[in-house]
Amino acid sequence: QQQVKQSPQSLIVQKGGISIINCAYENTAFDYFPWYQQFPGKGPALLIAIRPDVSEKKEGRFTISFNKSAKQFSLHIMDSQPGDSATYFCAATTNNAGNMLTFGGGTRLMVKP
Amino acid sequence: KAGVTQTPRYLIKTRGQQVTLSCSPISGHRSVSWYQQTPGQGLQFLFEYFSETQRNKGNFPGRFSGRQFSNSRSEMNVSTLELGDSALYLCASSLVIGQGASGYTFGSGTRLTVV
Repeated sequence: QQQVKQSPQSLIVQKGGISIINCAYENTAFDYFPWYQQFPGKGPALLIAIRPDVSEKKEGRFTISFNKSAKQFSLHIMDSQPGDSATYFCAATTNNAGNMLTFGGGTRLMVKP
Repeated sequence: KAGVTQTPRYLIKTRGQQVTLSCSPISGHRSVSWYQQTPGQGLQFLFEYFSETQRNKGNFPGRFSGRQFSNSRSEMNVSTLELGDSALYLCASSLVIGQGASGYTFGSGTRLTVV
């Protein structure tokens, strides 16, 4: 059972545009929602994360929006750059699940120059 | 400081064989987790170790096993390999357990191909 659904699977954005990736979860016990960025040949790297007590978190060009009632969260990449081209994964976990993450299916982002 | 080191980077095995993958966590990190990444199933949790004890296990058959040593280094073993075991196996380490993976650092993975 896929507990975190991610969309779209792929995304093409022009340089300077906004990239938006969406995730929806089912388990209301999830209480930590990180986003990971993965380049080819590398492992995922933590980009930004949010807990459900806030509705938005911004770090540089990256913003997470969180809607607890809808059980949805999204990643916005402002002023997208070709260097942002990578695969992005949303994830979720609960405090009593140790460090076990449930990942979304991933979004392959291509930023065109 | 050195990151998470996984060896080997690439591996080709034949169906029916067994394989052992190694992970050296960041110095001082005591929690090690393993994930399988495939194009079809994405990233799936295998198991997690902390202080040499398995703390969590994902939904994988018993052919998949792991262990952690006193120096926090970890190994995972897959016996009786199947073609579907072809994947990128990722190891992640963190300082502690139970904080929502906020300190997770992934290695670059071991690419296993089963022929």
